[in-house]
Amino acid sequence: AQKITQTQPGMFVQEKEAVTLDCTYDTSDPSYGLFWYKQPSSGEMIFLIYQGSYDQQNATEGRYSLNFQKARKSANLVISASQLGDSAMYFCAMRGRDTDKLIFGTGTRLQVFP
Amino acid sequence: EAGVAQSPRYKIIEKRQSVAFWCNPISGHATLYWYQQILGQGPKLLIQFQNNGVVDDSQLPKDRFSAERLKGVDSTLKIQPAKLEDSAVYLCASSLQRGQGRDTEAFFGQGTRLTVV
Repeated sequence: AQKITQTQPGMFVQEKEAVTLDCTYDTSDPSYGLFWYKQPSSGEMIFLIYQGSYDQQNATEGRYSLNFQKARKSANLVISASQLGDSAMYFCAMRGRDTDKLIFGTGTRLQVFP
Repeated sequence: EAGVAQSPRYKIIEKRQSVAFWCNPISGHATLYWYQQILGQGPKLLIQFQNNGVVDDSQLPKDRFSAERLKGVDSTLKIQPAKLEDSAVYLCASSLQRGQGRDTEAFFGQGTRLTVV
């Protein structure tokens, strides 16, 4: 069975600083994809970044990067130069090759302060 | 490109009543998902369609929930009869394809917030 674990219910970061949001996963699928989504208070889920299990390099998308450590089964999101607009819930998600379901963790609430 | 459209945005019903939600995915997206997000939790997959066929509905409470995707495009999710614990945001999402890869990310609608009283 697949499982995503996000152990940080909430995180605070000062504007312009970097922050790391933790995500660990468990799967028996040999091939899988990892996703991060942002959910502002308005409710929509916004796709941020994708990492494939066989990708050799860590994914980056602008200020977002994914610190992928396959042996440790972790896929942490790093946000550089935090902005006030980054305040939101952040969800880690995974899809396996064989199960094909996109499952989510419980989320981390990030608050950026001036 | 238009995003995933959902309606209504909000719905309040009494327990034991029925309710239906509608979703129009992004054009050309073969995979469609319905998620339930209870306050303070991550989204939980209720049902996944590939075109108009069901891929996974293992977590759909089939005694009260039903969903269909006619002609592989729009989808409706119905609850009948509703219970208090069904109060949640119902999110519809679509993706270009299944599996792994850059085109498999799901795009979400704004959701329908259901309150059962």
